[in-house]
Amino acid sequence: TQLLEQSPQFLSIQEGENLTVYCNSSSVFSSLQWYRQEPGEGPVLLVTVVTGGEVKKLKRLTFQFGDARKDSSLHITAAQPGDTGLYLCAGGAYGGATNKLIFGTGTLLAVQP
Amino acid sequence: KAGVTQTPRYLIKTRGQQVTLSCSPISGHRSVSWYQQTPGQGLQFLFEYFSETQRNKGNFPGRFSGRQFSNSRSEMNVSTLELGDSALYLCASSADRGKYGYTFGSGTRLTVV
Repeated sequence: TQLLEQSPQFLSIQEGENLTVYCNSSSVFSSLQWYRQEPGEGPVLLVTVVTGGEVKKLKRLTFQFGDARKDSSLHITAAQPGDTGLYLCAGGAYGGATNKLIFGTGTLLAVQP
Repeated sequence: KAGVTQTPRYLIKTRGQQVTLSCSPISGHRSVSWYQQTPGQGLQFLFEYFSETQRNKGNFPGRFSGRQFSNSRSEMNVSTLELGDSALYLCASSADRGKYGYTFGSGTRLTVV
């Protein structure tokens, strides 16, 4: 069974602080996707990384895919209240009869003004 | 460009009843996946449909079923509802079977009483 563990589960920080969310698995994934979900809504895709060691930047967010494609991290610089939400990583398993996303356990981030 | 539309947004059903949820994907997207989200289990994969065929199924009982129509719209059905089926049901569509990301709908909040 493929599992994705995220840490920390909960994070409450002040505006302007930096933070890192980790996503770890013992399985290799074809791709790693990060989503943010707000209450009462579906997850919204932030980024997809597909190459081991790949780093992508999206304004104040930096995403990294581990060299072995088993783990990923999301770093937010100078967090703002608008960053508040549930952050989900998702590992893509593709090929043959398998084609699905395995979602991580989630990290609930609250940024206080 | 219209997003993924799920109807209804909220639903209250009685234990033992059945329910049908609807999903209209983004125009041109032929892949539709369904997920169940609960506080305890997070996002769990239900099934994926592509070109009217179920391509993948998650680890859910046979009471959960789905189908996809020729216009890519999809429905999922849950028969003999149990209290534990209370959840947010999310539909996601993709142009590339999710390899580079999904677009999620806002979900259907199902409450079984």
